[in-house]
Amino acid sequence: AQSVTQPDIHITVSEGASLELRCNYSYGATPYLFWYVQSPGQGLQLLLKYFSGDTLVQGIKGFEAEFKRSQSSFNLRKPSVHWSDAAEYFCAVAPVHAGNMLTFGGGTRLMVKP
Amino acid sequence: SQTIHQWPATLVQPVGSPLSLECTVEGTSNPNLYWYRQAAGRGLQLLFYSVGIGQISSEVPQNLSASRPQDRQFILSSKKLLLSDSGFYLCAWAGGLNTEAFFGQGTRLTVV
Repeated sequence: AQSVTQPDIHITVSEGASLELRCNYSYGATPYLFWYVQSPGQGLQLLLKYFSGDTLVQGIKGFEAEFKRSQSSFNLRKPSVHWSDAAEYFCAVAPVHAGNMLTFGGGTRLMVKP
Repeated sequence: SQTIHQWPATLVQPVGSPLSLECTVEGTSNPNLYWYRQAAGRGLQLLFYSVGIGQISSEVPQNLSASRPQDRQFILSSKKLLLSDSGFYLCAWAGGLNTEAFFGQGTRLTVV
């Protein structure tokens, strides 16, 4: 069965600093990969997704993620964090051709220091 | 534009009581519909999905059931809640299996 691991439950960074959130997955084949963000009181919003092709994926709000097949990883990055980025971030996988059957990681809560 | 509504936002229910959470989608027809749950300290888990009226698939055995009485309505139910049913429940819709899923704002259920 597929699984997703987000090793960092909480991360605190200073505003303007760079950010990397880790995500590792276990799956029989290369799945579809996603990052979602959940702000307080809000539903989940899709940041970016990887289906195939270029392994460096650009998303909304200045985020990007890199798929590394050899490491089974899909880490999320942002070069300069803004206070409004404080939220919970979820990595997710789905089977190819069933992209809505999502398996989520446990989430990483990001706090941003002024 | 499409919107998804989920209510209530929070709910506190005693053990053994029934549950009904409702989710409706506007602005689209024949969506795929999903119920996810996030238990404390765990990731989001797919509970049910539906590709059409009356068609429900369950991903995990549990104390809950789902129904789709109308094209854009998806209901999560329980006859008797357990403490372990506490969690954050999210409804989602998608236009197809390989399109982006859009999530509601969630219901935080506390069973006491």
